[in-house]
Amino acid sequence: AQKITQTQPGMFVQEKEAVTLDCTYDTSDPSYGLFWYKQPSSGEMIFLIYQGSYDQQNATEGRYSLNFQKARKSANLVISASQLGDSAMYFCAMREGGDDKIIFGKGTRLHILP
Amino acid sequence: GAGVSQTPSNKVTEKGKYVELRCDPISGHTALYWYRQSLGQGPEFLIYFQGTGAADDSGLPNDRFFAVRPEGSVSTLKIQRTERGDSAVYLCASSLNRYSYNEQFFGPGTRLTVL
Repeated sequence: AQKITQTQPGMFVQEKEAVTLDCTYDTSDPSYGLFWYKQPSSGEMIFLIYQGSYDQQNATEGRYSLNFQKARKSANLVISASQLGDSAMYFCAMREGGDDKIIFGKGTRLHILP
Repeated sequence: GAGVSQTPSNKVTEKGKYVELRCDPISGHTALYWYRQSLGQGPEFLIYFQGTGAADDSGLPNDRFFAVRPEGSVSTLKIQRTERGDSAVYLCASSLNRYSYNEQFFGPGTRLTVL
């Protein structure tokens, strides 16, 4: 079974609108961390936001927030007031318990339209 | 300060050849990770080093792949008898230590093409 599922291969959004990128995860470990990364066309992976499984509040970093729904095993990324520079691939990822590796989803390509 | 660097940025080789890919982590980072990203996919874990030792090599696809980090800084990923299926972008990441997992910094990657 896939550990990280991103069901939206591509999205088109008008500039200045809010965007929600979906992510569901699968783990039986009570301790885990969830990540979102941005990968522009240049190829570098840019860390955006992190949510620990025991964190009580949803993580926020500037225009990024993580909508963490633990019971639904959902960790959607919300980008407020989208900008043209937000056009990129976005990856949801998870680290389980004492594991050191990060498991990535297949990504969502976001296109921001002027 | 300098980020994670990887050389070469592009490598084209022929099937059956040997290649080495280099990763220079951020100074002082003890944890180093290698990932492979195939076209249209997310990065896939290969191996993790804590200091000089490979703490987790469960992601290496087969024994043609090997990685070293002899002095606990620079790491080299070695691929023997390359196959066309090895074509991918190889990403390296480092973090201060294994507990700084929410602060993994990635390099720009090496794009490997096996003809």
